[in-house]
Amino acid sequence: NAGVTQTPKFRILKIGQSMTLQCTQDMNHNYMYWYRQDPGMGLKLIYYSVGAGITDKGEVPNGYNVSRSTTEDFPLRLELAAPSQTSVYFCASSYAGGGRSPLHFGNGTRLTVT
Amino acid sequence: AQTVTQSQPEMSVQEAETVTLSCTYDTSENNYYLFWYKQPPSRQMILVIRQEAYKQQNATENRFSVNFQKAAKSFSLKISDSQLGDTAMYFCAFREYGNKLVFGAGTILRVKS
Repeated sequence: NAGVTQTPKFRILKIGQSMTLQCTQDMNHNYMYWYRQDPGMGLKLIYYSVGAGITDKGEVPNGYNVSRSTTEDFPLRLELAAPSQTSVYFCASSYAGGGRSPLHFGNGTRLTVT
Repeated sequence: AQTVTQSQPEMSVQEAETVTLSCTYDTSENNYYLFWYKQPPSRQMILVIRQEAYKQQNATENRFSVNFQKAAKSFSLKISDSQLGDTAMYFCAFREYGNKLVFGAGTILRVKS
């Protein structure tokens, strides 16, 4: 049981480039989330999804896009990378909403935009 | 908007001693959940303990316990018999009935031998 898997683990982008951060989970969880963690800070919610075909914005969605075509996958797209997007990105999933089921996190992707 | 405040950026404790990490939050809701997550240098996010607001009894998980004061909106984490492996960043987090988990800025805990 792999849990939540994120790829890649590290990436360096030039300003204006695009990339997709991949996230997949094998726990049949309905809810999936993308967070970013800036140095010395807590995690901020970018986007989340409550099921296939349904996505919604979190606190800091600007500059990002998501899709949820399957239960397992929840990719995060950066269209025009900017230095402000340098961060560590975490994908997470949970069986249900609210606090009844805890979030399971991936190991993160460290992204640097130069 | 809900906010979570951790007022201690860094703390140190001697091995085998007890340490308490502070957390306060702001909400107008009555039903919600509170969490403490641990993030070691490996960057992995690990759930330490969870508290449901409607439960008056403080949650306990082995050496980890919380002091939940609902009226004061306070949710502190006590680590007993501290171990070197407890060295990590600790995040307090809040989640109401909706789907958004809001994190505090974190407290770096260093356990010294």
